[in-house]
Amino acid sequence: DTGVSQDPRHKITKRGQNVTFRCDPISEHNRLYWYRQTLGQGPEFLTYFQNEAQLEKSRLLSDRFSAERPKGSFSTLEIQRTEQGDSAMYLCALSFPSSTNEKLFFGSGTQLSVL
Amino acid sequence: AQKVTQAQTEISVVEKEDVTLDCVYETRDTTYYLFWYKQPPSGELVFLIRRNSFDEQNEISGRYSWNFQKSTSSFNFTITASQVVDSAVYFCALSYNQAGTALIFGKGTTLSVSS
Repeated sequence: DTGVSQDPRHKITKRGQNVTFRCDPISEHNRLYWYRQTLGQGPEFLTYFQNEAQLEKSRLLSDRFSAERPKGSFSTLEIQRTEQGDSAMYLCALSFPSSTNEKLFFGSGTQLSVL
Repeated sequence: AQKVTQAQTEISVVEKEDVTLDCVYETRDTTYYLFWYKQPPSGELVFLIRRNSFDEQNEISGRYSWNFQKSTSSFNFTITASQVVDSAVYFCALSYNQAGTALIFGKGTTLSVSS
């Protein structure tokens, strides 16, 4: 158990629709990350929160993407006006605070299919 | 620019064979961190190792060993006496900080171990 719960596991939507994914840390973490993974590729960094502050955003995160972490615990990633190119696995990752051996723990991801 | 290259797309071995997964990286940073992650069929990325750029000591953990050579910008991963449970996609990744925020992943090597 990595302590990262993602919902839903699978999402199928039509092009142009909005979708929202949720990431719930099971225990206390102060850093939360979103990555995207397409078939046959490694994960690509999207954005990162420390508590509720969004500290870093990749240029992959277009204006149609928005991420929030309102209370410094769970996070949501919304994609507006989805495109077929948005089809991918969206991964949430967490790291433990005050760790001298800090590492990322990834969730199982949300698989998005845009038709 | 930072880049990670895993030239081997797929490797197939028979149980008990040793196998080495290659990783070559590019970075202009003098301080950086290298990682290996395993992604089994279940989909969750599992952290295996982190190595910083100032520590070129090779590491062994059970059947796993890692060979870090700055002179060739390589961070290779060897599995000794492979087992069927080792079948997975293995990713090498690079980051400028130890937490692994904004990880740059390679495309991964799919390892298939048959009995």
